[in-house]
Formats: sequence, structure tokens, C-alpha cells
Amino acid sequence: GQSLEQPSEVTAVEGAIVQINCTYQTSGFYGLSWYQQHDGGAPTFLSYNALDGLEETGRFSSFLSRSDSYGYLLLQELQMKDSASYFCVITDSWGKFQFGAGTQVVVTP
Amino acid sequence: NAGVTQTPKFQVLKTGQSMTLQCAQDMNHNSMYWYRQDPGMGLRLIYYSASEGTTDKGEVPNGYNVSRLNKREFSLRLESAAPSQTSVYFCASSDSGQGREKLFFGSGTQLSVL
Repeated sequence: GQSLEQPSEVTAVEGAIVQINCTYQTSGFYGLSWYQQHDGGAPTFLSYNALDGLEETGRFSSFLSRSDSYGYLLLQELQMKDSASYFCVITDSWGKFQFGAGTQVVVTP
Repeated sequence: NAGVTQTPKFQVLKTGQSMTLQCAQDMNHNSMYWYRQDPGMGLRLIYYSASEGTTDKGEVPNGYNVSRLNKREFSLRLESAAPSQTSVYFCASSDSGQGREKLFFGSGTQLSVL
């Protein structure tokens, strides 16, 4: 079957760097993506990795190691508006997306 | 460009009642999905449709039915609502081929079953 593991909560101060790790087990792996969800809102796409390595999008970066079944999301220069839930998501070869349980990021002043 | 539109935004049902959640996308996407999200949890796939005319079960399909009416529309039906179906429901769509890595979500439907 498929499974994803990520920490349930991370707390950091404004301006800090946070890394959210994600390990997964799946068959038919196609890619790993990350979504952000604010309270009461819909998830929104942040980044996607199909190949090993680092993808950078502004203050956010995502990394994938297919051989280790591991990825992470790096949030730099944390801002209060980054307080949200972050989900790692597996895309499989059949076009299905499976979500992890989510990491609540709490940014404090 | 509306993206993914879901209706209704809120709904309260009594146990045993039926209802249909509507979803439409205007991005010409092939694939559409229905997820549910319970408090403090990730999204769980109920049903998905890889293309017009096809539907497949996801992780938690029991108690639900779907219809892919055309390429734009994908509806979710609860035939006999149960309190365990109290949740927030999200419809989503994605492209195929090179755009398949990204899900676009509707704003969600908050459903309470009493």
C-alpha cells in the first residue's frame, strides 16, 4: 500500500528557517508535491519534484531523493502569513494523489 | 476564469437524507477528484475520474456515488447520509501529461449530518 509520514507540528519564530520532512512508501511513484492550507481554506499548490534534487520557488524550496523515498519542504525567512498546514502529496503512475496527514506550522513573533 | 467551482458551500442534513455536491471546472482538465477532510487530518480520496466517462474508487468510497457528467462536471452523491459523513468535501481537477503534477481545488463544502 501507500503511506506518507510527516511531523504533526512545527513551531518557529518570524525570520527563521523551517524544514518539513516527508517519508513515503508507495508503488508506481511518479512525483512528490507540497500543498499549503490555511484554516478554512482550500489547499494550494506550492511545489513539485519528479526527479532527485532541489526545486526553488521564492522563499520555498523542495527536495526529493527517490532512492531514499524521502523529501522535504524548506520555508525560509518565515513570515506570520506562513502559519498554515503543509501537506506532502504523492502522485502515482495512475494519476492519483495521496495526501499525508499534514504538518501544522506555527510562526511566532 | 473561475477555476474549480463547488456548490453548495454549507449544508446540514438529517441522517438518511440524500444530497448531491456539484463540481465544475473550466480549465479543460481531464482528471477530477473528490476528497474529504476531517479535523486535523489530511485529505482522503473518495472517488476520482481520469477522463470523461470513467470513474474509480479511492480510499474511502463507501456511502458515496459519483457521476462524470461531461468533461467539466463531476458530482458526488450521498444516498443516505450518516453522521460519519460529516466532513469538509473538496473537489479538485488536474491536467494530464506534463501538467499532471498539480491539483486545483474548489473552495470546499462543509457538510454536517445530524
